[in-house]
Amino acid sequence: GAVVSQHPSRVICKSGTSVKIECRSLDFQATTMFWYRQFPKQSLMLMATSNEGSKATYEQGVEKDKFLINHASLTLSTLTVTSAHPEDSSFYICSAKTNLNTGELFFGEGSRLTVL
Amino acid sequence: KQEVTQIPAALSVPEGENLVLNCSFTDSAIYNLQWFRQDPGKGLTSLLLIQSSQREQTSGRLNASLDKSSGRSTLYIAASQPGDSATYLCAGEGNAGNMLTFGGGTRLMVKP
Repeated sequence: GAVVSQHPSRVICKSGTSVKIECRSLDFQATTMFWYRQFPKQSLMLMATSNEGSKATYEQGVEKDKFLINHASLTLSTLTVTSAHPEDSSFYICSAKTNLNTGELFFGEGSRLTVL
Repeated sequence: KQEVTQIPAALSVPEGENLVLNCSFTDSAIYNLQWFRQDPGKGLTSLLLIQSSQREQTSGRLNASLDKSSGRSTLYIAASQPGDSATYLCAGEGNAGNMLTFGGGTRLMVKP
């Protein structure tokens, strides 16, 4: 299957700092990528849809100014958690489709953020 | 709004058993149905994708079926192995290119 890579896999930061997570499609181009958040023992919740060359579409309840998404190329989307607080600690996972209409959704390995 | 439910939430079986995981969804206008596996602390691995015009997909010991009229999908695992222990998630897509809605997952433990 297609490969989606995330970096870093783990990050620990102090409260008030900003953290950037990268999501790359390694062997295909992705005009659209999706960012999910997962709390322990819970399912995935879609945060936003990242569109190459345009603004991201955020789900209801997700703060745009706190979770900045940039999709500058067809293979890279970034999620920046700004002024992180302990409640932002979570597992963040990105995904992308090989074909927007019929393709499978492939996920990155996830990034575990811990805010102290 | 699509809602996806998975039953059971957790399942423990002895090695070698055949088992069925269930997934139900509220909106029959589902486009794609995808099953994933997630190991602790890891991302999701795609297992099977059932596209709009399909009713089932098979890969090795796994078989997934989709019945839109009843709003159900099942994942059948044959001859389960300890390595199958993981959380299994189903996700439905309402329209082409739309987001996936995930079920809560089934945590499977296969005991040797």
